Amino acid sequence: GQNIDQPTEMTATEGAIVQINCTYQTSGFNGLFWYQQHAGEAPTFLSYNVLDGLEEKGRFSSFLSRSKGYSYLLLKELQMKDSASYLCAPKGAAGNKLTFGGGTRVLVKP
Amino acid sequence: EPEVTQTPSHQVTQMGQEVILRCVPISNHLYFYWYRQILGQKVEFLVSFYNNEISEKSEIFDDQFSVERPDGSNFTLKIRSTKLEDSAMYFCASTRGGQGYNEQFFGPGTRLTVL
Repeated sequence: GQNIDQPTEMTATEGAIVQINCTYQTSGFNGLFWYQQHAGEAPTFLSYNVLDGLEEKGRFSSFLSRSKGYSYLLLKELQMKDSASYLCAPKGAAGNKLTFGGGTRVLVKP
Repeated sequence: EPEVTQTPSHQVTQMGQEVILRCVPISNHLYFYWYRQILGQKVEFLVSFYNNEISEKSEIFDDQFSVERPDGSNFTLKIRSTKLEDSAMYFCASTRGGQGYNEQFFGPGTRLTVL
């Protein structure tokens, strides 16, 4: 089975940086996805890591340490529209499904 | 930009009724999925579908559920006899290939309310 742990909620100020941590345990490992989900909407893809290290994509970066079962999503220069839930989804070795964590709700304040 | 579409956006039904949720995946995608999200809870995998058959399903996907690709474009989820606890947002997703880096594209969802 899979065990995914991420904080429930974080609050940050517009223009600041926020780091969302995710720890996971999976049966095998075939990459880790981060998705963004605004309230009432579908998840949208943000990033994918399969090797250790940092992947940077504009204001968003994602880091992976496979040996520690740990990833984080870094959001820089926060904007009000970044207020959303951020879902960590490690992919196990078997099958193609995504198993999502409970999500971290980020609230950006002016 | 191609996108996954779903109909209807909202469905209200009486307990015990059958519902069919419809999805049109992205046209060159080969793998299709259904997920659900009960209000305030996490997104949960239901079933994956490839080459006209189910490739994986979760414990949630019991005999009340079925999926079908009736033609070259539609992908449907049927719930035979709905229960109150089936009330949720149902998301369809598709991806080009199943292994490695293949992001899943999600449709906007169907909100199912069972009364």
